[in-house]
Amino acid sequence: EAGVTQFPSHSVIEKGQTVTLRCDPISGHDNLYWYRRVMGKEIKFLLHFVKESKQDESGMPNNRFLAERTGGTYSTLKVQPAELEDSGVYFCASSPWTGESYEQYFGPGTRLTVT
Amino acid sequence: AQSVTQPDIHITVSEGASLELRCNYSYGATPYLFWYVQSPGQGLQLLLKYFSGDTLVQGIKGFEAEFKRSQSSFNLRKPSVHWSDAAEYFCAVAPSGGYNKLIFGAGTRLAVHP
Repeated sequence: EAGVTQFPSHSVIEKGQTVTLRCDPISGHDNLYWYRRVMGKEIKFLLHFVKESKQDESGMPNNRFLAERTGGTYSTLKVQPAELEDSGVYFCASSPWTGESYEQYFGPGTRLTVT
Repeated sequence: AQSVTQPDIHITVSEGASLELRCNYSYGATPYLFWYVQSPGQGLQLLLKYFSGDTLVQGIKGFEAEFKRSQSSFNLRKPSVHWSDAAEYFCAVAPSGGYNKLIFGAGTRLAVHP
């Protein structure tokens, strides 16, 4: 079974540019989460999809960030325009909707550097 | 506000020594608690979890953790560390229940000396 995949693994962009990160969850997982870790800080929650619906977007920092999950499969996170403080590692995770494992399966992350 | 504290940013132990990584949380209700590990170039992997029942939980790779409600702690332990355990360890809480957002501590980076 393939794990959570993220693309790209690294992205270097200039301030003011646009970047789109992609996450492919484990097949059949209805829950999809985005997290971000700014260097030296804790991993922080950004938002949570259940299928194609946004269950919780309380962690989105501002309206420069747009997340979508069309069709309830893969998700994209767009940053437009990027600012220096957006640099960090963006993690995606997925989990099934039911059961008691409660485990979120994480991807390897996308390292975003804004210069 | 809900928070998770990992007081040790870096820990160095010798191979074969015992290990305890500390985690304290600030949360009113019965929490869902997790420990994740991140090895270089990898995503986070779940080591173990607690949400009810026996307060001593066993996980993968020989790790265990004990939930102590009175101390609001969920410390991770391993009796004998292997060089392959060198990684970053994260304690996390799901304040709204199992399949909702996780709140993470800042992480503890573990180095293992041969």
